[in-house]
Amino acid sequence: QTVVTQEPSFSVSPGGTVTLTCGLSSGSVSTNYYPSWYQQTPGQAPRTLIYTTNTRSSGVPDRFSGSILGNKAALTITGAQPDDESDYYCVLYMGSGIWVFGGGTKLTVL
Amino acid sequence: QVQMVESGGGVVQPGRSLRLSCAASGFTFSDYGMHWVRQAPGKGLEWVAVIWFDGSKKNYADSVKGRFTISRDDSMDTLYLQMNSLRAEDTAVYHCARWFGNSVYAMDLWGQGTTVTVSS
Repeated sequence: QTVVTQEPSFSVSPGGTVTLTCGLSSGSVSTNYYPSWYQQTPGQAPRTLIYTTNTRSSGVPDRFSGSILGNKAALTITGAQPDDESDYYCVLYMGSGIWVFGGGTKLTVL
Repeated sequence: QVQMVESGGGVVQPGRSLRLSCAASGFTFSDYGMHWVRQAPGKGLEWVAVIWFDGSKKNYADSVKGRFTISRDDSMDTLYLQMNSLRAEDTAVYHCARWFGNSVYAMDLWGQGTTVTVSS
């Protein structure tokens, strides 16, 4: 069974830069997995940030960027703001009509 | 206004059934594939099921395969999730999500969710 891995938690100072990653329990993440990223605050619906590795969704600030770093997908927040304190989830498309979410990263901005 | 609104959640006993609905508005529903994604209390998001824009294909997570059925009624702009043989571990907030479409394998629009509690 494929497991998509994310850091359980991360902390960043206001104005700082943080990179969250999205890996596989077995193998490497490539663009072929069409990684996408979502932001969720408690009690709210998820918000789409990034799709197809590095394309920002409409209205998403350019301080959010996506990439492949080594064998993982990555979400980088440059110039973190207090409002960025949220849970972040990646999703990988495994092919054959199957998607798998990572376990999520709780980002603290302080 | 482009939006999706889920309904149909509630408290149900283990082994019973429930049908969730997701009413879409503000866009051409029949142009889009649709997903169900759930979130158990205090847990992360879990992909549940997908239906292609034309209903030709459906896929399910292993955790619900054989028990849940995704369907759509384009005349009503509504997505459904029929949940049978419910278990305690199906307790979650269920969100519908729109598939970007074509070769973009991601979700671009989300509903607020409806809560399902499976308990005796």
